[in-house]
Amino acid sequence: QKEVEQNSGPLSVPEGAIASLNCTYSDRVSQSFFWYRQYSGKSPELIMSIYSNGDKEDGRFTAQLNKASQYVSLLIRDSQPSDSATYLCAANPEMNRDDKIIFGKGTRLHILP
Amino acid sequence: DTEVTQTPKHLVMGMTNKKSLKCEQHMGHRAMYWYKQKAKKPPELMFVYSYEKLSINESVPSRFSPECPNSSLLNLHLHALQPEDSALYLCASSQDLAALGSYEQYFGPGTRLTVT
Repeated sequence: QKEVEQNSGPLSVPEGAIASLNCTYSDRVSQSFFWYRQYSGKSPELIMSIYSNGDKEDGRFTAQLNKASQYVSLLIRDSQPSDSATYLCAANPEMNRDDKIIFGKGTRLHILP
Repeated sequence: DTEVTQTPKHLVMGMTNKKSLKCEQHMGHRAMYWYKQKAKKPPELMFVYSYEKLSINESVPSRFSPECPNSSLLNLHLHALQPEDSALYLCASSQDLAALGSYEQYFGPGTRLTVT
């Protein structure tokens, strides 16, 4: 069973600090990785995608991918109370099967004012 | 614009009813998806349509019947549901399945379904 693993949290981070969210995946052939933010009662919102080893930055968000270690992370700089949400990590589990992604169970992030 | 719309926002139905959920996107995306999400769980893939053809059915019970009338619309027909089918039903779309990076999935707001 191919899996995406995340710590369920809650992860509590003081406002203004860096929040670090981690994700591991079991399938070495996964090529594409996504981070979604989901507020309670709302639908998931795509915030980052990453396909190559290394870092990808978008505003206060940085995604990091290490395929050798099967590890992907999301850093949120200058955390704000509005960043409090569940963050879902997702990966496509099959080579040449780009239409299917599987989700981790999500990490609840709480930014402390 | 990455908007996917879904109607209705909320639906309450009895176990003998027939209802439909609707999803629409005008981004020219060629893949559309139905997911089911229970509280405090991640979305679970149900169906994938690629270029208006069903490409994935994740062993979903036949009381759920998807339909893709055209490249912009996706329906989910519901019949004889069970109370355990109560969940948030999410539609998503992605641009294209051929090129790397083009299959980022964008979700609609969802339909909150309650089966009584």
